[in-house]
Amino acid sequence: DQQVKQNSPSLSVQEGRISILNCDYTNSMFDYFLWYKKYPAEGPTFLISISSIKDKNEDGRFTVFLNKSAKHLSLHIVPSQPGDSAVYFCAASSDNNDMRFGAGTRLTVKP
Amino acid sequence: DVKVTQSSRYLVKRTGEKVFLECVQDMDHENMFWYRQDPGLGLRLIYFSYDVKMKEKGDIPEGYSVSREKKERFSLILESASTNQTSMYLCASRFDLAEQFFGPGTRLTVL
Repeated sequence: DQQVKQNSPSLSVQEGRISILNCDYTNSMFDYFLWYKKYPAEGPTFLISISSIKDKNEDGRFTVFLNKSAKHLSLHIVPSQPGDSAVYFCAASSDNNDMRFGAGTRLTVKP
Repeated sequence: DVKVTQSSRYLVKRTGEKVFLECVQDMDHENMFWYRQDPGLGLRLIYFSYDVKMKEKGDIPEGYSVSREKKERFSLILESASTNQTSMYLCASRFDLAEQFFGPGTRLTVL
């Protein structure tokens, strides 16, 4: 049973527009949430995170929003660039040091 | 810069062989993880370790074992490889409750 779910396997947006990637989780013990970006033949790289005590964290073009009551988080990329094309993984962690990932969303940004 | 290295990028083994996947990190992280990545399933946690000689099962430990004799090294062992263990294997390390750093991955094919 997947504790972290990304229900959209793919997303395509036009360069310059906003990309919104969504993630849902089921385990209420998760208190730290992360987004990773992965290119083919490479390991995932950390992008941005948010603690459960916050509802928003921003880093340049990337913003993560957390809605604890809905057990939902989203990643906004604005403006989207062709170099953002990759697979994005949502991850969640609790204080027992494990980390669970979603299935990933493949983002394609068209020039 | 944190560096996580994996012993092989590509590996081909035969059914029934014993397989060792090695992972080394150079940042003195307590926590280390093994995942496998499969299309449509994302990253699934096999085992993790929060200290030397300590290990915890993840979501899919069956058919795998691990060894953590030194802090910097975390090994994944396939006791008797099977074709359904053909996958991309990713190792990661993490300090406390921060983000994980991933190695480049090992693509294992079991014939």
